[in-house]
Amino acid sequence: KAGVTQTPRYLIKTRGQQVTLSCSPISGHRSVSWYQQTPGQGLQFLFEYFSETQRNKGNFPGRFSGRQFSNSRSEMNVSTLELGDSALYLCASSPRGGASSSEQYFGPGTRLTVT
Amino acid sequence: AQSVAQPEDQVNVAEGNPLTVKCTYSVSGNPYLFWYVQYPNRGLQFLLKYITGDNLVKGSYGFEAEFNKSQTSFHLKKPSALVSDSALYFCAVRDQGSGNTGKLIFGQGTTLQVKP
Repeated sequence: KAGVTQTPRYLIKTRGQQVTLSCSPISGHRSVSWYQQTPGQGLQFLFEYFSETQRNKGNFPGRFSGRQFSNSRSEMNVSTLELGDSALYLCASSPRGGASSSEQYFGPGTRLTVT
Repeated sequence: AQSVAQPEDQVNVAEGNPLTVKCTYSVSGNPYLFWYVQYPNRGLQFLLKYITGDNLVKGSYGFEAEFNKSQTSFHLKKPSALVSDSALYFCAVRDQGSGNTGKLIFGQGTTLQVKP
């Protein structure tokens, strides 16, 4: 099976712009989660989606949003970019999601740089 | 609040020697624990998990982890380190405080350096 894919892999944006990142989960996986990774804060949970519904949202401002489509692909959007949004954004998929014991499989990430 | 701690920023070990990367956790109830590894410019790769059962869990690439409930620890181990094991290692716990969610809480990560 193909792994989790994320596009684009690298992105450079200017403050104030908006950006959309895409994630395609492993075939058959219905749950997608997003995490932000920075040197200072480490790995922080952004959201989790299952069957097009947001199950949970992390402690991020409303500028961060996401959605999931019927084919389980997911997008996240960041509006009005700030310098502090520069990070590696990781997407992870799992078969069932929720409070199950299944592990999450991560994509390679999108490296976002805000200038 | 639920949390995971990795007390060492970096662990140095000689190739062929055993390695241990430490992790302690704080959760209410029974923990779901995971170890992931991250190579430069890559995403996280799943190594192993503890859900229930035997305290010694075997995972990928010869890694294993020992769950110790009394010490609330889940240390990652390998009997003989390889230079190719050099990477960033994350311990994580499933967040049980946010309902029916798969949210993971990660430790800060430990850089493992294996020298020839």
